[in-house]
Amino acid sequence: DADVTQTPRNRITKTGKRIMLECSQTKGHDRMYWYRQDPGLGLRLIYYSFDVKDINKGEISDGYSVSRQAQAKFSLSLESAIPNQTALYFCATSDSSRGLAKNIQYFGAGTRLSVL
Amino acid sequence: EDKVVQSPLSLVVHEGDTVTLNCSYEVTNFRSLLWYKQEKKAPTFLFMLTSSGIEKKSGRLSSILDNKELFSILNITATQTGDSAVYLCAVGGMDSNYQLIWGAGTKLIIKP
Repeated sequence: DADVTQTPRNRITKTGKRIMLECSQTKGHDRMYWYRQDPGLGLRLIYYSFDVKDINKGEISDGYSVSRQAQAKFSLSLESAIPNQTALYFCATSDSSRGLAKNIQYFGAGTRLSVL
Repeated sequence: EDKVVQSPLSLVVHEGDTVTLNCSYEVTNFRSLLWYKQEKKAPTFLFMLTSSGIEKKSGRLSSILDNKELFSILNITATQTGDSAVYLCAVGGMDSNYQLIWGAGTKLIIKP
């Protein structure tokens, strides 16, 4: 079983709809992240959370919100989806107790979202 | 502004060739540089390099960090079709609260 699980794997939705992407992990890591990936732009950070009570905006948080329901669960919501939110979305985790290795992030398989 | 630039953006070689991928960075208070391989979906971790660990090797893959000239290279020898992927470079700095700044990636295609 995957250590970082994202659901759904693929989603097609219409402009204006609310959508939630979910991420759960069994790695026991305290830090979790949401990224989006667009062709030619690499990974861009949307939100990150260092623990259940610590949530921070990333580079491109406008139009998105998150919830850290438990240490193992971190969900991303698009309140009113728009076509330029069509992208590949990744959840990642890291372990702050590992010294310099705290920077190593482990990724889920991704969710491909299309907003029509 | 912190940034990470990878080159080339894409590369096509034949099986058996050796390739070198580049990653240059400008990141305040550098802490670490990471290389990932992205095949179909999830990026998978390859190496982490720091000021105290500037060279890593695993099988046919190796990487070095030049923390004076601010770049890293990822070398793949005797390439195989399974090496075809996007290779991502990311850099972590203290000032960014240990968040990673990502390059756009190099798309590597290995032809049989």
